[in-house]
Amino acid sequence: DGGITQSPKYLFRKEGQNVTLSCEQNLNHDAMYWYRQDPGQGLRLIYYSQIVNDFQKGDIAEGYSVSREKKESFPLTVTSAQKNPTAFYLCASSGGQGDTQYFGPGTRLTVL
Amino acid sequence: GIQVEQSPPDLILQEGANSTLRCNFSDSVNNLQWFHQNPWGQLINLFYIPSGTKQNGRLSATTVATERYSLLYISSSQTTDSGVYFCAVLSQGGSEKLVFGKGTKLTVNP
Repeated sequence: DGGITQSPKYLFRKEGQNVTLSCEQNLNHDAMYWYRQDPGQGLRLIYYSQIVNDFQKGDIAEGYSVSREKKESFPLTVTSAQKNPTAFYLCASSGGQGDTQYFGPGTRLTVL
Repeated sequence: GIQVEQSPPDLILQEGANSTLRCNFSDSVNNLQWFHQNPWGQLINLFYIPSGTKQNGRLSATTVATERYSLLYISSSQTTDSGVYFCAVLSQGGSEKLVFGKGTKLTVNP
């Protein structure tokens, strides 16, 4: 089955800990994206990558880091520098800039 | 940057009713997508529609690019249509970022 997978579905973290969210796609898409969604709000872009070994900051990159070592994978690390990390995180991919974006099922992160 | 406004913010319908959701944007766009977010958070693509009209079953969408708005029509609504509908646009100004509106929360009662 082609698609985008994210894991874990739910994640709990203590304050001061880093945590890494997984995103994998088998759609052979070049571009991948990470978004954050807060309750009652739209999605905001954290980081995006148009090609392997390259990525750019989105609108709210502070406190987050990413890597793109493989075309299929785009993990997101939420660092202890992120002041308010509790949110719903969505990963997406597309064939390229301007193409339709397809979303994974999301990871709900809660900081205790 | 480009601004995206959706209306209404909330909509409650009885099953079988029709509805129209609106998305206004402040600049020319290369890409406009409509999504449905189900109660579990999954975002489902509905339409990729930077201009023109498309239909898919009970749903259809029209984008009038020159007047900078898009409409999503839902006919004969069902309880499974409940959720949040998002409009997202990619500006022609060279930005690679898809900008989302705040969504319309639709509740369809049986």
